[in-house]
Amino acid sequence: QVQLVESGGGVVQPGRSLRLSCVGSGFTFSSYAMQWVRQAPGKGLEWLAIITNDGNNKYYADSVRGRFTISRDNSKSTMYLQMNSLRVEDMAVYYCARDRIQLWMSGMDVWGQGTTVTVSS
Amino acid sequence: QSALTQPASVSGSPGQSITISCTGTSSDVGNYNLVSWYQQHPGKAPKLMLYEGSKRPSGVSNRFSGSKSGNTASLTISGLQAEDEADYYCCSYAGRTTSVFGTGTKVTVL
Repeated sequence: QVQLVESGGGVVQPGRSLRLSCVGSGFTFSSYAMQWVRQAPGKGLEWLAIITNDGNNKYYADSVRGRFTISRDNSKSTMYLQMNSLRVEDMAVYYCARDRIQLWMSGMDVWGQGTTVTVSS
Repeated sequence: QSALTQPASVSGSPGQSITISCTGTSSDVGNYNLVSWYQQHPGKAPKLMLYEGSKRPSGVSNRFSGSKSGNTASLTISGLQAEDEADYYCCSYAGRTTSVFGTGTKVTVL
């Protein structure tokens, strides 16, 4: 079945780095743009970034631009989120999501279960 | 990229209809027909309920409908059921290849 599985979350000190992974299965990963969304504890959803299906174009929310980098390896059906200079306010559950293929940024139709990032000294 | 504004909570009795508003600006909701809605149960991942304002993905009940007027999009749940109790988020394309979510609405079935 169509599935996304995130990994790489954990506990990290402020200022350090972490890389999240998102593996897709059950669909042609290379055909879809992919996105990252996060949710701080007890808070709402926050859109972070999107990468085109071929990986050539990447776009970010102002809150993470310059610190986070989205990338993908279609040969491994995997998307990544490299997070540098982590702050306490980056603590959240991070979700990867598939963009609808029919129309760019019209909705996220498949979501992973999320991976938790804790930033604490 | 300010979050879209949603009511914090909406409630209704089983069988009733409720409407959740999502207010943005002329730079996001008002300028594009690219509002999507998500349902999120506690501890679960969000689920796409509507896209392009009013279109339902396969498998989503026709009790969920959407509309837009000016800078405000709306999600209506008719025939409210206990399983509809969840958090709901709108999301809009906001230009410059970015998206923005709403503040979220907790739906309670009385």
